[in-house]
Amino acid sequence: AQSVTQLGSHVSVSEGALVLLRCNYSSSVPPYLFWYVQYPNQGLQLLLKYTSAATLVKGINGFEAEFKKSETSFHLTKPSAHMSDAAEYFCAVSKEGGSNYKLTFGKGTLLTVNP
Amino acid sequence: EAGVTQFPSHSVIEKGQTVTLRCDPISGHDNLYWYRRVMGKEIKFLLHFVKESKQDESGMPNNRFLAERTGGTYSTLKVQPAELEDSGVYFCASSQVGVSGETQYFGPGTRLLVL
Repeated sequence: AQSVTQLGSHVSVSEGALVLLRCNYSSSVPPYLFWYVQYPNQGLQLLLKYTSAATLVKGINGFEAEFKKSETSFHLTKPSAHMSDAAEYFCAVSKEGGSNYKLTFGKGTLLTVNP
Repeated sequence: EAGVTQFPSHSVIEKGQTVTLRCDPISGHDNLYWYRRVMGKEIKFLLHFVKESKQDESGMPNNRFLAERTGGTYSTLKVQPAELEDSGVYFCASSQVGVSGETQYFGPGTRLLVL
């Protein structure tokens, strides 16, 4: 079975500092990997996804993530945090099997950005 | 293009009552997924429709939950009778069949509180 581990349920950074949110996955097949963000009182919004093309994936709002097969990781980074980045971030993996790409999520990481 | 919509946004009911959640997917999206997040836990898959057919119900907690997608358009998720542990946020997502990586677009969720 697939699984996702997000290290750190809460990460706090200063405005302008590097954002690093960690995600490790387990999958018996080459995975599709996703990062979603949830702003307060909103739904989940896709930040970026990895689908076996380039290992460095660029997403919206200046975020990017690198797929490292040897480390089974897909960490999310942003060089300089902005106050508007405060939200909860979810890493997810899906399995290619027939027409079902159901997502398996990590527990989420709440990002706080301090002025 | 309208996104995924869910109704109601919030629902507060008493144990033993019935609640029906509705999801309207993005037009043209044949895949429809239901997920749930119980407080403090990760977002978990409930079930998957392709058009009006249930492809995977492996995440449904028990037979108190009934999902339908008549005509392959909107979907409903009925909980009858509701129990305290059913409280949480219910998300609906939709995607296009056959698109590599199959990005799922999420609705804002329905926050269900069972008292």
